[in-house]
Amino acid sequence: EVQLLESGGGLVQPGGSLRLSCAASGITFTTYAMTWVRQAPGKGLEWVSVISANGGDISYADSVKGRFTISRDDSKNTLYLQMNSLRAEDTAIYYCAKNGVGSSYSGIDYWGRGTLVTVSS
Amino acid sequence: DIVMTQSPDSLAVSLGERATINCKSSQSLLSSSGIKNFIAWYQHKPGQPPKMLISWASARESGVPDRFSGGGSGTDFTLTISNLQAEDVAVYYCQQYYRYPFTFGPGTKVNIK
Repeated sequence: EVQLLESGGGLVQPGGSLRLSCAASGITFTTYAMTWVRQAPGKGLEWVSVISANGGDISYADSVKGRFTISRDDSKNTLYLQMNSLRAEDTAIYYCAKNGVGSSYSGIDYWGRGTLVTVSS
Repeated sequence: DIVMTQSPDSLAVSLGERATINCKSSQSLLSSSGIKNFIAWYQHKPGQPPKMLISWASARESGVPDRFSGGGSGTDFTLTISNLQAEDVAVYYCQQYYRYPFTFGPGTKVNIK
């Protein structure tokens, strides 16, 4: 059974940093691209970032480019999202998600339950 | 960036009837080979993670009831829920993965009439 378990969310002040982690199990982690998607309170889904299976293809939403960094540690089956210079508008549930194939140009077929990030003073 | 729009914003359908959701992209999502459309549909219920229903515009995911179907090509796509069931109440999103940054539509809320 595929499991994606996010951690690292919490309350942080504007301008602060957080690192989200996503531990994957039940899959051959190295085979799949991985994605972060967020949902702000009362809003729709927003695509945040993707990393290909080999880590060579990475992209970000314009809203987080230059502030967020996606990475993966295949030895630990773990996906990360380093979030710096956080703003109030980054407040959201952050979902870790698995793509259907190794290429980042694919849909998302499994989602974690999400971790809440709140940016507030 | 590719902009995804959905219509309607919400709809209410009687049990057993059909719900049709439209999604339009600002650029074609059809591959240069003319074979694949880089679009997926997701169902999102409150308190749960989203669930993929359809990929490549019309390929139903394993385990998804066959009352869910996807269609369209290029810039215009549809998700059809035939024989609507109570458990289909949710928000439905389309997403393009043709060009970075990948983008979601704003969502369509489906309720029971």
